[in-house]
Amino acid sequence: EVQLVESGGGLVQPGGSLRLSCAASGFTISSYWMHWVRQAPGKGLVWVSRIKNDGSVTTYADSVKGRFTISRDNAKNTLYLQMNSLRVEDTAVYYCANSDWLDPWGQGTLVTVSS
Amino acid sequence: QSALTQPPSASGSPGQSVTISCTGTTSDVGGYNYVSWYQQHPGKAPKLMICEVSKRPSGVPDRFSGSKSGNTASLTVSGLQAEDEADYYCFSYAGSDNWVFGGGTKLTVL
Repeated sequence: EVQLVESGGGLVQPGGSLRLSCAASGFTISSYWMHWVRQAPGKGLVWVSRIKNDGSVTTYADSVKGRFTISRDNAKNTLYLQMNSLRVEDTAVYYCANSDWLDPWGQGTLVTVSS
Repeated sequence: QSALTQPPSASGSPGQSVTISCTGTTSDVGGYNYVSWYQQHPGKAPKLMICEVSKRPSGVPDRFSGSKSGNTASLTVSGLQAEDEADYYCFSYAGSDNWVFGGGTKLTVL
């Protein structure tokens, strides 16, 4: 079964850091660009970041640029999102998704930034 | 990176058809055929319904169809069924390796 499973979310204080992971199974991520997308409670989907299949190209939404870093370990079939200098407005469910067609998605991991 | 414009809500009775619009600019929807649509039920992850404007992935019912005219993409759901009630989002490439979602449309089956 093709599957993505996110982990690493939790409660963190403003200014803190978290590292999210997205483990793939049933397929090899090395062939695909991959994305992170977030959804604040009760709000819509927002694109966060994208990484080329070999990790050589990364792009970010303006709202996270300079604070978040996307990376991947194709040998571990895993995608990452390092989140630094977290703000209250970063509170959201974070999803990873495969390819530029965002298919499939993981189940999401909740990040709560609060003091 | 402004969000694409979708109507907040749409509705239809079982068996009817409903169309959801997604309006952007020549820099995103109008400039590329990288438009996709996602269905999201409450508490669940989104699911791809349409890619490349009008292509339907395997397993998606043919009641779902997509199209584009100028800067506006559309998702049409024909023969509405109760299980189609969900939130729907469009997503487009926006140039310079940027991507953007629509604000989402809540579809209600009356």
